[in-house]
Amino acid sequence: QQQVKQSPQSLIVQKGGISIINCAYENTAFDYFPWYQQFPGKGPALLIAIRPDVSEKKEGRFTISFNKSAKQFSLHIMDSQPGDSATYFCAASPDSNYQLIWGAGTKLIIKP
Amino acid sequence: GAGVSQSPSNKVTEKGKDVELRCDPISGHTALYWYRQSLGQGLEFLIYFQGNSAPDKSGLPSDRFSAERTGGSVSTLTIQRTQQEDSAVYLCASSLEISSYNEQFFGPGTRLTVL
Repeated sequence: QQQVKQSPQSLIVQKGGISIINCAYENTAFDYFPWYQQFPGKGPALLIAIRPDVSEKKEGRFTISFNKSAKQFSLHIMDSQPGDSATYFCAASPDSNYQLIWGAGTKLIIKP
Repeated sequence: GAGVSQSPSNKVTEKGKDVELRCDPISGHTALYWYRQSLGQGLEFLIYFQGNSAPDKSGLPSDRFSAERTGGSVSTLTIQRTQQEDSAVYLCASSLEISSYNEQFFGPGTRLTVL
């Protein structure tokens, strides 16, 4: 029940296309859903996060879509660029617990 | 301002040796986390500190692993009698306070290779 399942494991998208990464969870107590971006040789960095009181959050080309009834959330990257090539991690947390439950990560490659 | 720093950036050691990994969090951050990331894998939570105390050590893989934090700042992760399965990148993160709602700022990691 503590797991966050992330898919796909890897993704190749053409420049200018839309990249979509999905995550699913079981624990209905989860109420905070961040996405982190990790470049090779670097630590992850917060990209965007959402709380379940909204169904969508957009920051520039990055959008989180949240479906509370399906217990799923996804990251959409519009107009994907080669600089977006990185590993993306979703995570979830139950009501301000200290601990984030992490997805396994998606390696995204944007082809020029 | 300075971010989270970790040292060394790379460490190669022989099986059975002890290693110490260091983390310098962002100044003023009271919460500090250690994670392990195996090649191409996700993040495995190891331990967190609130100030100098570590209320939950259940994430440490074995009793060969220990961590401490002094002065509410620098933290050291020690692995005794290293094994080949300990090879991974060890990441440290800090946040303003202990809450998952707070952004975790990660260091670049220490890549540990046990021969």
